[in-house]
Amino acid sequence: DGGITQSPKYLFRKEGQNVTLSCEQNLNHDAMYWYRQDPGQGLRLIYYSQIVNDFQKGDIAEGYSVSREKKESFPLTVTSAQKNPTAFYLCASSITGTPKAFFGQGTRLTVV
Amino acid sequence: AQSVSQHNHHVILSEAASLELGCNYSYGGTVNLFWYVQYPGQHLQLLLKYFSGDPLVKGIKGFEAEFIKSKFSFNLRKPSVQWSDTAEYFCAVTYNNNDMRFGAGTRLTVKP
Repeated sequence: DGGITQSPKYLFRKEGQNVTLSCEQNLNHDAMYWYRQDPGQGLRLIYYSQIVNDFQKGDIAEGYSVSREKKESFPLTVTSAQKNPTAFYLCASSITGTPKAFFGQGTRLTVV
Repeated sequence: AQSVSQHNHHVILSEAASLELGCNYSYGGTVNLFWYVQYPGQHLQLLLKYFSGDPLVKGIKGFEAEFIKSKFSFNLRKPSVQWSDTAEYFCAVTYNNNDMRFGAGTRLTVKP
């Protein structure tokens, strides 16, 4: 089955530690996105990538980093510089030039 | 299980026609409701949101949505669509300030 997979679903980390969230897709999509959602709030764009080996900052990129070494994978690292990392993180992908987005199930990160 | 349903997969309209996109959500407690739009090659953008108060919500670009609690619905409307409204539209819900859930999306094609 084709789809987009985020892992893990729940993640706990101690304050000050970096943590990497996985996002993998087998849809052959060029574009991938990372969003953050805080309780009861809407989505905010962290980073996006339209093509392998290239990515751009979104609205709230500070404290995050990404890589796009493979078309299928777009991992997000939440660094210790992110002041309020506890949130729900959603990965999405789409074919460049088309609007249809597919979403992962999300990862809820809790920093204690 | 909590879920969000968008009834129409693909809607095709001529310019100046009126638009209504359906969104229904399952019962699950306190809800916040959102409509997002994704244009080709772009990330999700927030059209409008409902948290509380007046159930008729006005958003950007002439869109509005009505929250009908008794029907568990949050339909998106626009009196007169333009060719530039061609995009994918996503309804999203957060339950009890928890993680956001998306509908499958509705593709809108507006013929000039």
